[in-house]
Order: sequence, then C-alpha cells, then structure tokens
Amino acid sequence: SQQGEEDPQALSIQEGENATMNCSYKTSINNLQWYRQNSGRGLVHLILIRSNEREKHSGRLRVTLDTSKKSSSLLITASRAADTASYFCATDARSTYNQGGKLIFGQGTELSVKP
Amino acid sequence: SQTIHQWPATLVQPVGSPLSLECTVEGTSNPNLYWYRQAAGRGLQLLFYSVGIGQISSEVPQNLSASRPQDRQFILSSKKLLLSDSGFYLCAWRSGVPYNEQFFGPGTRLTVL
Repeated sequence: SQQGEEDPQALSIQEGENATMNCSYKTSINNLQWYRQNSGRGLVHLILIRSNEREKHSGRLRVTLDTSKKSSSLLITASRAADTASYFCATDARSTYNQGGKLIFGQGTELSVKP
Repeated sequence: SQTIHQWPATLVQPVGSPLSLECTVEGTSNPNLYWYRQAAGRGLQLLFYSVGIGQISSEVPQNLSASRPQDRQFILSSKKLLLSDSGFYLCAWRSGVPYNEQFFGPGTRLTVL
C-alpha cells in the first residue's frame, strides 16, 4: 500500500506568501522526512521529525507531525522564487521487516512560487 | 564529507540493449545503498537496496538487477531494456543509526527508444 500521500498535488503562490503541504501515511513510523527536488535533479533532505516529536523548525521550514491522525505538514514561510520545486514526504516504517532502513515516498507536491 | 556520484547523467538506449548504471559513494563506509526509479511527474519507486557487499534486496519484480561488488559501489543492470524502463534513476545512501536520512545522487535520465 502507498505511504506518504501528499496534498495538494500542485500549489502556486506569490513570493512572500506561506506554502503549506500535507502528507498522510498508513502505518506506524519511526520518523517522517521531507525532501525537496528541483527539476531534473536528485532529492535533497530538508528535515526529519521523529515519531515522538510534534513540531520541528529549520530556518523558514516548520514541520508538524500528528501520529494519531497519521499526518504531517510542511510549512514554508515567506516563500521565494527559489523555493520552486517538488516536495516529497517519506516515512520510515516501524517494522521488524524494515531492516534495510527503507523509506516510502509519496507522489509529491509541486510548488511554484511566482516572483 | 560524503559525496555520491552517478553516471552517466543521461542515456538513450534502444529497446533490447543492455544497461549498466553505476553509483559510488565517498567518505563513508558500509553504507546502506538504494536504487529508485522516478517516472515523469511521479514519486519515487524503490527498486533495490543493499545492506552490504553482495547483499541485494529486490522490491519489485522487473527487468532489472542490481549488484554491489564493493562496499561503496552499487550497479543497476539490465540484459535487455524495455520501453517501460525509461525514467529517472536515483541512487541514495543512508546515514547511520539512529537517524535514517538518505542522501541522493544527481540521477541518470534513461530514455529507451
């Protein structure tokens, strides 16, 4: 089954506005991570939030995690044109079968920030 | 510091031809290594992962295979490419316990014609 479903699939905002992306997942997790991908490039790790954490900040990024609802959100404040990219959540499932440290990625949110 | 390399960056191959994509990691030892494929506008699909030399786990049945001949080298191969093998192939390595961040290479864009 698919973990890490993001919404919206696409988001278009003006520079300076805040961007919020959501992620839902299905199984128990050790942690949830957010990644960014510029077009045609590899993914870049942004932030990791552990299952016992509720909120985490990194610069203009704010991530929340609600394990009771199996959901997470990524907020980018005061967005810039350079934030234009696709954003993916990924879950590290809490499972004895996850010996290889696999991550399950969602389909991503495509963010466009217009100058 | 750790770096991850992938080559080639782009590749155009005819149907039925063989494939070999290489990924190498520097600055770390005994990493977990991963191969993903990304179709256009889609998320990442995990193809293979490896926890050590010669140890390969396959996630989906397909036309591809992987090998890990050295600690920091991960190779993705095919004997005969299909049209459906086209995509963006990404290699990644994992940092150690207790965190599970993965670090990605720049990717290889494969087009099968």
